[in-house]
Amino acid sequence: AQSVTQPDIHITVSEGASLELRCNYSYGATPYLFWYVQSPGQGLQLLLKYFSGDTLVQGIKGFEAEFKRSQSSFNLRKPSVHWSDAAEYFCAVGAGSSASKIIFGSGTRLSIRP
Amino acid sequence: DTAVSQTPKYLVTQMGNDKSIKCEQNLGHDTMYWYKQDSKKFLKIMFSYNNKELIINETVPNRFSPKSPDKAHLNLHINSLELGDSAVYFCASSQVARETQYFGPGTRLLVL
Repeated sequence: AQSVTQPDIHITVSEGASLELRCNYSYGATPYLFWYVQSPGQGLQLLLKYFSGDTLVQGIKGFEAEFKRSQSSFNLRKPSVHWSDAAEYFCAVGAGSSASKIIFGSGTRLSIRP
Repeated sequence: DTAVSQTPKYLVTQMGNDKSIKCEQNLGHDTMYWYKQDSKKFLKIMFSYNNKELIINETVPNRFSPKSPDKAHLNLHINSLELGDSAVYFCASSQVARETQYFGPGTRLLVL
């Protein structure tokens, strides 16, 4: 069965520091992978997605993610975080026919230390 | 202009009541979804409609009934509300399945 694991429930980093959020997936075929961000009290916004091609994907707000098939990972990175990046981050995998069903990880809460 | 909108934003009601949540998208998308996010922030798909046809129906109590009058609207009706139904319900849409999903702001349902 398809699944997504985000091993870190809560991460705190200092403003200006680099960030890496971990995501591991379980899926038999080539996965469709997503990272979404949810600010407090808001809906989800897509940061980036991977369907095929270049395994390093650039997203909005300076985020990038790298698909590593050998490690079944799709980690999210940002070289220098800003206080406005504090939010909940969700990794997700597209499952089912045409990836019509999105399975979300449990989320990682990011806090920023001034 | 709001792409995916939901009403109401907040809903407080008593156990046993029936309530509806409305969702509208003005993106011209063919596929719409309902998700439930529990108190631990876990997000799970409930239903998906493509061009008014149900394509995903996860293991959801049959007290929950989605209705799609046209492809721009997907409403969620809940009968006999229970305490465990308290959650945030998100509507989303995408052009086709597998493409980027755009989420509404959520409806915070509290059942007392």
